[in-house]
Amino acid sequence: EDQVTQSPEALRLQEGESSSLNCSYTVSGLRGLFWYRQDPGKGPEFLFTLYSAGEEKEKERLKATLTKKESFLHITAPKPEDSATYLCAVQASGRGSTLGRLYFGRGTQLTVWP
Amino acid sequence: DSGVTQTPKHLITATGQRVTLRCSPRSGDLSVYWYQQSLDQGLQFLIQYYNGEERAKGNILERFSAQQFPDLHSELNLSSLELGDSALYFCASSVSGTGFGEQYFGPGTRLTVT
Repeated sequence: EDQVTQSPEALRLQEGESSSLNCSYTVSGLRGLFWYRQDPGKGPEFLFTLYSAGEEKEKERLKATLTKKESFLHITAPKPEDSATYLCAVQASGRGSTLGRLYFGRGTQLTVWP
Repeated sequence: DSGVTQTPKHLITATGQRVTLRCSPRSGDLSVYWYQQSLDQGLQFLIQYYNGEERAKGNILERFSAQQFPDLHSELNLSSLELGDSALYFCASSVSGTGFGEQYFGPGTRLTVT
């Protein structure tokens, strides 16, 4: 079965302290890997889509990268407003996969303190 | 603001009751997806509709049903509610009919079953 695992479950950073979040996946036929940000009680907010190994996307202090088995979300010089849960999801096209559905990881809860 | 709207924001109801959750997709999007988010399960795909037709099913219980109307809004009907159905229910939309590509999430409906 397709699986998405995120680590760490929780991460506390001081403002300005850069770090990376990991998303490892086992899917048959990756069609896309997605990063979302979710604030408490709100809907996931789309950040990035990555389609192939070696691809990178950037947005402000965030940079997402993709390899054949995992993705990283790098946070450079984070600020308190970056505090949120970051979710990774994949779409797959292999046997046993439901077309188009997103398989989500459990997320990394990031806290950035001043 | 993703452009996806959901009503109501909160629902409190008793076991055994039936409720209807409503979703309007982003302008131009033809696909609607429903997801359930609970503390122990994370985000789980329930069902997808494309231009009025059911396209894919996930972990949706038989007590739950959905439909998409000609104006593309969608409703998720939950019946014979149990305590375990308490969760956040999200609707997402995308332009793609195949289901591939990023999905944009609404603000969610928080359902509490007492």
